[in-house]
Amino acid sequence: NAGVTQTPKFRVLKTGQSMTLLCAQDMNHEYMYWYRQDPGMGLRLIHYSVGEGTTAKGEVPDGYNVSRLKKQNFLLGLESAAPSQTSVYFCASSYRGIGGELFFGEGSRLTVL
Amino acid sequence: GENVEQHPSTLSVQEGDSAVIKCTYSDSASNYFPWYKQELGKRPQLIIDIRSNVGEKKDQRIAVTLNKTAKHFSLHITETQPEDSAVYFCAAPGYGQNFVFGPGTRLSVLP
Repeated sequence: NAGVTQTPKFRVLKTGQSMTLLCAQDMNHEYMYWYRQDPGMGLRLIHYSVGEGTTAKGEVPDGYNVSRLKKQNFLLGLESAAPSQTSVYFCASSYRGIGGELFFGEGSRLTVL
Repeated sequence: GENVEQHPSTLSVQEGDSAVIKCTYSDSASNYFPWYKQELGKRPQLIIDIRSNVGEKKDQRIAVTLNKTAKHFSLHITETQPEDSAVYFCAAPGYGQNFVFGPGTRLSVLP
């Protein structure tokens, strides 16, 4: 039982490049989330999903897109990376949404030059 | 939407002393309040949570108290140990099925 797995763990991009972060969970959770973590700003929600085929915007969605084609996977895409998107990205999943525990992945450190 | 404030931003205590971190929220309809601990370079992990139908919950050296009238909840750590050094985040339900996190408190337990 791996829990929540994120790939890649580290990536360096040049401004304007695109990339996709993959989040996979094996707990059969309906709810999945993408957060970014920046120093002194806590965890800010980018996008989330309440089930397969659904997505919704969070607090800081601009510059990101997501897809949830399979229940166990939640993809975060950057179409044209900007230095402001340098951050640590965390994926999380939950069984009960806002009523229950969030299970986080190990994080993905992205640097945009 | 929900707004969560957290104080202090940094806290240093001597080993064995107590630590208290306070969070305030804005949405009076919120009914679930978790606390997460994040050690350096690690993922956040849930350490304790409280629902709005109780005022206090304890788990060994950790406790959380909730004051719904004042819209604040606090994390209490007693008999602090070096392994308690970490960043602690409070959270409250946001719009839709998601959480809004506080900015975090960096706790340092000094030997």
